[in-house]
Amino acid sequence: GESVGLHLPTLSVQEGDNSIINCAYSNSASDYFIWYKQESGKGPQFIIDIRSNMDKRQGQRVTVLLNKTVKHLSLQIAATQPGDSAVYFCAESSGNTPLVFGKGTRLSVIA
Amino acid sequence: KAGVTQTPRYLIKTRGQQVTLSCSPISGHRSVSWYQQTPGQGLQFLFEYFSETQRNKGNFPGRFSGRQFSNSRSEMNVSTLELGDSALYLCASSSGQRPNTGELFFGEGSRLTVL
Repeated sequence: GESVGLHLPTLSVQEGDNSIINCAYSNSASDYFIWYKQESGKGPQFIIDIRSNMDKRQGQRVTVLLNKTVKHLSLQIAATQPGDSAVYFCAESSGNTPLVFGKGTRLSVIA
Repeated sequence: KAGVTQTPRYLIKTRGQQVTLSCSPISGHRSVSWYQQTPGQGLQFLFEYFSETQRNKGNFPGRFSGRQFSNSRSEMNVSTLELGDSALYLCASSSGQRPNTGELFFGEGSRLTVL
C-alpha cells in the first residue's frame, strides 16, 4: 500500500505532458470522491470531486475518472506545469461518514 | 472572504504536557473537522463539529478532545502528550449540508512537535 513522506509513491512527468494519478478505494458503499492537492507547507486544496452516479467529470485541465466496478479513481492533469508539483490525495465518503483520505502520491514535474 | 485560520502555526511541547489548537472557519461555515497528518499514517480524521455538537468522531484515544463555540470557531486539545502526537493538525470547514462531505476548506495547519 501507499505511504506518505519518505515512502510516498512518486510520479515524475515532463513539463507539458499529461499526468495520471491513480487511487484504489476499498469501500464499495462510497458514493462521493474528491481529489486534493497539497503543496509543501500548506493545507490540502480542493481540485475536483465526483459522485458515484457519474464516471467522469472535467474541470480546468483536470479530469477525474471513476470505475466503480474495480473501485478505482484517477486524476488526469493535462499539460502538466511546474506549479502542479505537489502531493495529491484522493478521499472517499459514504452516506454521512467523514472523508477518508488515501496516503497520497507525490507529483514531480521536470522542467 | 478569509480562509480557514489556524493558530498557532508551530509549537513545541514536551511529553506529558497538554496543548490547545484553535481554528476559525470560513465565515458562514458551520462545520469544522480536524485531521491529524503524519508521514506514516497520512491524513486521519479526528472529529467533526457542527453547530457546537460533535457529529462524527475518529478512532483516537480520549486524550484528544475538541469543542466548537457558538461563532463556529473550534478548538482541539491533546492532553498528556506523547512523542507520537507530533504531527500536522489540520482544520477544515464546510457549509455542513451533509456531515463532513462535500468540499472541505483546509487551513494551513498547526505543526506540533513533542520532545
